[in-house]
This record gives sequence, C-alpha cells and structure tokens, in this order.
Amino acid sequence: AQTVTQSQPEMSVQEAETVTLSCTYDTSESDYYLFWYKQPPSRQMILVIRQEAYKQQNATENRFSVNFQKAAKSFSLKISDSQLGDAAMYFCAYYALGNEKLTFGTGTRLTIIP
Amino acid sequence: KAGVTQTPRYLIKTRGQQVTLSCSPISGHRSVSWYQQTPGQGLQFLFEYFSETQRNKGNFPGRFSGRQFSNSRSEMNVSTLELGDSALYLCASSLSSRRTEAFFGQGTRLTVV
Repeated sequence: AQTVTQSQPEMSVQEAETVTLSCTYDTSESDYYLFWYKQPPSRQMILVIRQEAYKQQNATENRFSVNFQKAAKSFSLKISDSQLGDAAMYFCAYYALGNEKLTFGTGTRLTIIP
Repeated sequence: KAGVTQTPRYLIKTRGQQVTLSCSPISGHRSVSWYQQTPGQGLQFLFEYFSETQRNKGNFPGRFSGRQFSNSRSEMNVSTLELGDSALYLCASSLSSRRTEAFFGQGTRLTVV
C-alpha cells in the first residue's frame, strides 16, 4: 500500500525567509503524481504544486518549488520569500493512475513570524 | 468558472440519524471524490465516482454510501450516525479519468451529538 510521511508536524519561518517542508512516500508504482496542497483556516484545500513522476525536472510555481528525488522517494516543498498568507497546513499527497484516489500525509502546520 | 460547491457548510445531527451531503463539481468535471478529515485520522479517502460509476472505495463501513448523477453532481450519505462520524467532509472534482489535479470544495463540517 502507498504511504505518505510528513515528519514535521510544525514549522515556523520569518517573513521573507525560505522554508522547506519534507515529504517521503512509499510505492511500487512507476507512474504516479505528487502534490502539495495548502489548507488555510478557511479549510479549503488549495493545490500549490504538482509533480509528474516521469519528469526529472523539478516543478516550480512562482515562490514555490519542489525537490523531487525519485530514487529516494522524497518530495520536499520550498517556499521562498515567505509571506503571512502562506500560513496554513500543508499536505503532501500521492496519486497513482488506476488507483483513483489521493493518499495524504499527516500535514505540516506552517507559521509565519512577522 | 465556479469552483466546487458543497452544501451544507455546517450540519449538526443526533446519533442514529442519517445525513446527506451534496457536492457540485466544477463545470465539465466528471470525477468526484470524497474525503473525511478528522484530527485523529487525518484525511481519508471515502469513494470516487466517474460518469455515475463508483470506481474506488475506501475502508469505511457500509453506513457510508454515495452516488453520482448524470450532471456529475454527487451526494454522500451516512446512515445511523455515530459520534466518531463527526468530521470535515471534503469533496474534490477533476476533469477526466486520467486526472492529475483535484480541486476541492470548502467542505461540510458535520457534528454528531
């Protein structure tokens, strides 16, 4: 069974600094996708970034980028120039084609210090 | 384009009752998934529907059921509610069977008393 592990329950960072959130996963599949979702206090899950396993290039979306290490099954999220609006729970998620579901990690609560 | 809409946003029910939650996906999206979020268990997959067919089901008792209509709107039903069913229920929609992005609604907060 696929599992997703986020080993950092909480993280904090000074505004304008950079922070990295960790995620590891376990799978025997070769065709899958990885995601980072953000859940602010409003509770709505917002897609931050997506990575296709077959792509070697790390995905980037503005201030958000990932470090995808397929062999190590590691998928970390780097947030640059942290802003107050980045404060939220961040969930790492895995999706394998044919499985039709997202498997989530336990989340990392990110606090931004003004 | 409107996002995923879940109704109601909040619900209080008594043990033993049943409840129906609704989810309207983004226009054009044919896949709808449901997740339960609790502090203890985190986010857990309930089921996924595509073109009115359930394609996958999570490890939940038979009290949890769902369906999808021809317009892609989906409902989930929980019968004989238990205190442990109190949770945030999230619905997500995606475009096709080979979806790669799921867009979530704001959820329905169910409290069972």
